[in-house]
Amino acid sequence: QVQLVQSGAEVKKPGASVKVSCEASGYTFTSYVMHWVRQAPGQRLEWMGWINPGNGNTKYSQNFQGRVTITTDTSASTAYMELSSLRSEGTAVYYCARESRGSSAYFDYWGQGTLVTVSS
Amino acid sequence: QSALTQPASVSGSPGQSITISCTGTSSDIGSYNLVSWYQQHPGKAPKLIIYEGTKRPSGVSNRFSGSKSGKAASLTISGLQAEDEADYYCCSYAGSDTWVFGGGTKLTVL
Repeated sequence: QVQLVQSGAEVKKPGASVKVSCEASGYTFTSYVMHWVRQAPGQRLEWMGWINPGNGNTKYSQNFQGRVTITTDTSASTAYMELSSLRSEGTAVYYCARESRGSSAYFDYWGQGTLVTVSS
Repeated sequence: QSALTQPASVSGSPGQSITISCTGTSSDIGSYNLVSWYQQHPGKAPKLIIYEGTKRPSGVSNRFSGSKSGKAASLTISGLQAEDEADYYCCSYAGSDTWVFGGGTKLTVL
């Protein structure tokens, strides 16, 4: 069965960077695009960007452009999301989500989420 | 990219039906038939319940249905049950390989 397992919670100081991982299993990792979604406490879901593990292509939301980097290690079937210059409002749960095949543009499997707390 | 517009909250009694609206623009919902809906219980990851505006994944109750007209989409839940109490988010493809979520709607089952 498809599983996306994310790394554990992190506490970071303002200005620091964080790198969250998402290990995929149960399917061919390089055949599906992986997205990252942020959710601040009590707030809405916010799309951050995606990576195509098959060719390394990426696309980022303008809201995070320049601060977010999404990468993969295909040998480990793992996607990573690195967010730099963290601010206190960066405290949020970060989810990885697999995009469905074809052009249906929906997220069929999600990781369990990783809480990143930004605090001095 | 602005968030899609959803009501902050809706409520209904068990057995009733409710509808959650999701309003976008000509750049997202109005241009693509690629609206999806997600259910999120507190402390849990979102779960897909509707895709391509009207389709249900296998395993999702047929009490959930979706529709789309112009720049707006809707999610209807019929025969409300206590376990339906959750947050619901719409999401649309927004062109240029980008996506946009709605502001979320908290459903309370009275």
